[in-house]
Amino acid sequence: GAGVSQSPSNKVTEKGKDVELRCDPISGHTALYWYRQSLGQGLEFLIYFQGNSAPDKSGLPSDRFSAERTGGSVSTLTIQRTQQEDSAVYLCASSLASVENTGELFFGEGSRLTVL
Amino acid sequence: AQSVTQLDSQVPVFEEAPVELRCNYSSSVSVYLFWYVQYPNQGLQLLLKYLSGSTLVKGINGFEAEFNKSQTSFHLRKPSVHISDTAEYFCAVKRGSSNTGKLIFGQGTTLQVKP
Repeated sequence: GAGVSQSPSNKVTEKGKDVELRCDPISGHTALYWYRQSLGQGLEFLIYFQGNSAPDKSGLPSDRFSAERTGGSVSTLTIQRTQQEDSAVYLCASSLASVENTGELFFGEGSRLTVL
Repeated sequence: AQSVTQLDSQVPVFEEAPVELRCNYSSSVSVYLFWYVQYPNQGLQLLLKYLSGSTLVKGINGFEAEFNKSQTSFHLRKPSVHISDTAEYFCAVKRGSSNTGKLIFGQGTTLQVKP
């Protein structure tokens, strides 16, 4: 497809389980971002990739959170030992190379994570 | 560091009435400013942006915003809203000199247009 694709769209898991969320960016977009959207909290930045490198991972809330990107394309956000406070919508966005970027990010529809 | 405050969490308004969604930012350096819209069950999409030049910027669907440096504000306006404008609106800021596309978002404002 032409847009940012995220999977799964919905994930329900039990506390303590690990989850993986996937993002497939727009072809040709070298920059990729993960955000978390919680009720009443707006969008919280998690991590940014330029190619396969992550020069800014300042928003990852704890060491239970990690992300990787391979082939300059698909990215996976992994949450280990999930907690109830991890419940949120995880949004992925992509954009053109950073030096050309004037702020237009293209967002996927998100992965809604519910931790029971 | 930059931050964004959206002053209203919810704004109810009747159809065809004017609306203003308020956004204030904090930054010690020059910034770019954005409004994104999220329709129900959809991803965010860019509504408009201010990079430089004219302080009044026009976006899609009849929205406009005015950059006010002295007030550190970037309020979003529309003279006459439609039911289809019901959505969540996010104000965002990017450090102008930043070589990343990282945006800092506000908490969002839910615009509810009533018939």
